[in-house]
Amino acid sequence: EPEVTQTPSHQVTQMGQEVILRCVPISNHLYFYWYRQILGQKVEFLVSFYNNEISEKSEIFDDQFSVERPDGSNFTLKIRSTKLEDSAMYFCASSEMGRGQEHFGPGTRLLVL
Amino acid sequence: SQQGEEDPQALSIQEGENATMNCSYKTSINNLQWYRQNSGRGLVHLILIRSNEREKHSGRLRVTLDTSKKSSSLLITASRAADTASYFCATDQRDTDKLIFGTGTRLQVFP
Repeated sequence: EPEVTQTPSHQVTQMGQEVILRCVPISNHLYFYWYRQILGQKVEFLVSFYNNEISEKSEIFDDQFSVERPDGSNFTLKIRSTKLEDSAMYFCASSEMGRGQEHFGPGTRLLVL
Repeated sequence: SQQGEEDPQALSIQEGENATMNCSYKTSINNLQWYRQNSGRGLVHLILIRSNEREKHSGRLRVTLDTSKKSSSLLITASRAADTASYFCATDQRDTDKLIFGTGTRLQVFP
């Protein structure tokens, strides 16, 4: 069964550094998402992406965040200048037809020191 | 309470027993999904129930949905130690792309 993959599985960075989290969605999927989960807290929506543009974003997704689909297979989340509070597990998800069919990746655990 | 809250927060049972987890939400939904998360790992989709459905089964899982009470329950029958994980409900609504996750129930199944 096809899966969403994410790299790296773990990333440690210094505060203020830029990080890029990478995702390979399932190949025929058209809708892409990023969520995050701060340790011990709820999974929170960050952004959705469809037809090469952001379709919805949350309040968390401020100017420090950006997403890109640089080629036909990757979907990336960039955090320009990381803060301590960006430490979390970041999940990528994709779906073929939108809501209700999201497939989540295994996550990237980001630690900002 | 917030959209998507599970209770209990934690549940400990013996292998072979049934585990029931509940989820409540506040606004109208299209679908409700249940996910499982092993400690520090990814989200595994378990089951989706649509707003016009009342009950759904998948293997040892049984999900019910009561839209009048804005609540859902997940029943795991004949639990196994390998069922130990956190379980989350997630709802989606009209006019938004996002899933709203609940706070989760931590299930511990003792062998």
